[in-house]
Amino acid sequence: DAGVIQSPRHEVTEMGQEVTLRCKPISGHNSLFWYRQTMMRGLELLIYFNNNVPIDDSGMPEDRFSAKMPNASFSTLKIQPSEPRDSAVYFCASKKTVDNEAFFGQGTRLTVV
Amino acid sequence: GESVGLHLPTLSVQEGDNSIINCAYSNSASDYFIWYKQESGKGPQFIIDIRSNMDKRQGQRVTVLLNKTVKHLSLQIAATQPGDSAVYFCAENSFGYGQNFVFGPGTRLSVLP
Repeated sequence: DAGVIQSPRHEVTEMGQEVTLRCKPISGHNSLFWYRQTMMRGLELLIYFNNNVPIDDSGMPEDRFSAKMPNASFSTLKIQPSEPRDSAVYFCASKKTVDNEAFFGQGTRLTVV
Repeated sequence: GESVGLHLPTLSVQEGDNSIINCAYSNSASDYFIWYKQESGKGPQFIIDIRSNMDKRQGQRVTVLLNKTVKHLSLQIAATQPGDSAVYFCAENSFGYGQNFVFGPGTRLSVLP
């Protein structure tokens, strides 16, 4: 298995633009997580899905952030409009609900200028 | 909210020596803990886990110790190798709180030749 696949690996955008981050979880995994990592705040859970349904989005910082999981093999995290303080590395992770180990993707480094 | 760990310390060890990485947690309701390893430019990778009904668990070259009395975790790496250089995170979860793992800020381990 190729693992969790995220795209793009790097994204540089101007303030105010829409940004869409993409994630393909490991086949057979039914839980999917979006995390944000910054030096100041470390790793923070933004939202997680179980069987494509959002379960907990309390970590989503603002209404500018939205996440979707239209099917078991694809999820997006969208920021509209983007701001410089959104600059961070965004990770997607997946696991089987019954398992404890989550597998992380390589992350998307987002820079908003 | 509850937090795990307080700072991002750096630990430098000589190749071949044993390493001990520490983590403090504050949520007394946490009953499950994971150690993750994050290499530069990669996502976190599962190392070992422990439930609160245990105080020690061993893996290959790694041992996790849990002291619930003082809410402290440690990760011991035997015969540290250059490939062990990374940032190590502890993460806690209380099953009653779903899938939201709280990550500490991490410890950077540098292995000296």
